[in-house]
Amino acid sequence: DQQVKQNSPSLSVQEGRISILNCDYTNSMFDYFLWYKKYPAEGPTFLISISSIKDKNEDGRFTVFLNKSAKHLSLHIVPSQPGDSAVYFCAAHNTDKLIFGTGTRLQVFP
Amino acid sequence: DSGVTQTPKHLITATGQRVTLRCSPRSGDLSVYWYQQSLDQGLQFLIQYYNGEERAKGNILERFSAQQFPDLHSELNLSSLELGDSALYFCASSELAGAANEQFFGPGTRLTVL
Repeated sequence: DQQVKQNSPSLSVQEGRISILNCDYTNSMFDYFLWYKKYPAEGPTFLISISSIKDKNEDGRFTVFLNKSAKHLSLHIVPSQPGDSAVYFCAAHNTDKLIFGTGTRLQVFP
Repeated sequence: DSGVTQTPKHLITATGQRVTLRCSPRSGDLSVYWYQQSLDQGLQFLIQYYNGEERAKGNILERFSAQQFPDLHSELNLSSLELGDSALYFCASSELAGAANEQFFGPGTRLTVL
C-alpha cells in the first residue's frame, strides 16, 4: 500500500513557465513533508519542506503548498530553468521515518 | 558533493551470495540512514543508526543487517541475495536524530544480482 503517491511520472515545461509537481498521501498522521531533487548518478538533495501546521512555505523560486483536507501537496517552481530538470521526490514524515513517493521526472526545455 | 561517501559504486554478484555496502557520513553527522530504490520505485527506508545505536527500522528484510561503527561509518550487509535485491542502495546522514531533519545522501551503490 503506497502511502505517498506521485501520480505523474513525468512533466515537461518550457523555460520561464511554472512547474507544478503534485503529491498525494493517505496517512493523516504525517506531520512533516519534504521535497528532494535528484540528478542522474547522484543522491537526492533536500529542496524544501513544510510542517503539517502550515499551508505554504516559500524559498526563492520554490513554493510548497499543503492541503491537509485533500491530503495533497504541491511544489511550484517559478520561473522554471533548464537546471531544474531532475527527478523530484516528495516524502512524508511519521514516527521518525520518511516515506517517499516514486518521483516525477521534470524536464525544462528552452 | 554531499560529503557522504559510499563504496563500491557498482557491485555485480550472483544469487545466494553475500555483499557488504559501506557508507561514511558527513563529518559531524551522527545519524546514518539506509534506503533501497528498486526500478520505478521510490526510496524505501531500511534502517537508521544514531551514534552507534539502531534508532528506527523500516521494511528491512531479515536477510539484511546493518551496523554503525565507533568512527560512525556504517555497513549494510545483504545475504542470500535474490534477483529482486537488485537495486540502488543509498546511504544518507544527518546531524540530528530525527528523520525530518535534512538528510544528505551519498551517490548510491548499484547492486546487480545475476
